[in-house]
Amino acid sequence: DAGVIQSPRHEVTEMGQEVTLRCKPISGHDYLFWYRQTMMRGLELLIYFNNNVPIDDSGMPEDRFSAKMPNASFSNLKIQPSEPRDSAVYFCASSKGVSGAFFGQGTRLTVV
Amino acid sequence: DQQVKQNSPSLSVQEGRISILNCDYTNSMFDYFLWYKKYPAEGPTFLISISSIKDKNEDGRFTVFLNKSAKHLSLHIVPSQPGDSAVYFCAAIAGSYQLTFGKGTKLSVIP
Repeated sequence: DAGVIQSPRHEVTEMGQEVTLRCKPISGHDYLFWYRQTMMRGLELLIYFNNNVPIDDSGMPEDRFSAKMPNASFSNLKIQPSEPRDSAVYFCASSKGVSGAFFGQGTRLTVV
Repeated sequence: DQQVKQNSPSLSVQEGRISILNCDYTNSMFDYFLWYKKYPAEGPTFLISISSIKDKNEDGRFTVFLNKSAKHLSLHIVPSQPGDSAVYFCAAIAGSYQLTFGKGTKLSVIP
């Protein structure tokens, strides 16, 4: 398996634009997590899914953020409209049980 | 409020010596703990874990110790190698599979 695949690796966008981050989890994993990493707050959990169903989205900062998992092999995180303070590295991770979540390489988002 | 705290943002160790990375937690419901290692421009990778029913878990050069009464865990790397230079995140799980991370400690192993 190629691991968790995220795209794009880098995204630069203007304030107010919609941003879509994509994730392909490891096949067979039934949990998918979206994290955001910033210098100030470290790694924060935004939302996680179990069997494609959102379980906890309490970490999603605002209504501007939304995430979906239409099937077991794909999830996306959307920010609309984007703001400069959304600039961060966004990680997707997947897991099966408590063996430890496997992370993608992240998407570095810069909103100017 | 940070439930998982890594109070040392950075640590420098000489090659061959022991590296000790510390982590404290406040939530007594945490029952599983993990350490992740992160290189620049890469995602965190799972390193080692420990269940709350144990006090030690060892994997090669890496050993994790858990002191439940003190709500403290530590990661020991012996001997430290330059390739170990990375940011190390402590993480904890309470029941569900939701990982709560510390802010990380940057380890630099000096040749």
